[in-house]
Amino acid sequence: NAGVMQNPRHLVRRRGQEARLRCSPMKGHSHVYWYRQLPEEGLKFMVYLQKENIIDESGMPKERFSAEFPKEGPSILRIQQVVRGDSAAYFCASSPRAGAHLSYEQYFGPGTRLTVT
Amino acid sequence: AQSVTQLDSQVPVFEEAPVELRCNYSSSVSVYLFWYVQYPNQGLQLLLKYLSGSTLVKGINGFEAEFNKSQTSFHLRKPSVHISDTAEYFCAVNNQGGKLIFGQGTELSVKP
Repeated sequence: NAGVMQNPRHLVRRRGQEARLRCSPMKGHSHVYWYRQLPEEGLKFMVYLQKENIIDESGMPKERFSAEFPKEGPSILRIQQVVRGDSAAYFCASSPRAGAHLSYEQYFGPGTRLTVT
Repeated sequence: AQSVTQLDSQVPVFEEAPVELRCNYSSSVSVYLFWYVQYPNQGLQLLLKYLSGSTLVKGINGFEAEFNKSQTSFHLRKPSVHISDTAEYFCAVNNQGGKLIFGQGTELSVKP
């Protein structure tokens, strides 16, 4: 059973470009979470999605950031007009369906390291 | 609001010595508690979790943690560390709302 997959692993963008980060959850998982790890900081929650629904986006910056988890395909975190401060490691996690006791455990992908030059 | 405090940002220790990484949380509701480990340039791996039941939980790689509700703590321990345990360790809480709230992390450095 493959784990959570993220691609690309490393992404370099110039200021003003767009960054698209992809996340494929573990097989059978329908909940996806995105976290950001800035240099010298811990992980901060960004957004929580189920298929075709955003459940909690309280950690998303108000501008330039968006996320989706379509019915088919991976979850996408999109950052428009990137700035140097967006340079960070972005981690995706997934968990099984809601209601199951184990659904509170999240499994993390290897992360995408975004560098904005 | 929930928060997690990891009391030590760095913990240096010699190989085969015991170690304790401290974690305190604040929450007005029941929480689930987790410890994750992050090796350099990698993602997070779950070490152990407390959901309910016995307050002493055992995880992978010889780690264990004890949930103390009165002290709102969930300290991580290992009786004898190896060089390969050198990594960053994160304590996290989940209040059943979905998102994990992480502490700032503790960098464990095991020296020969």
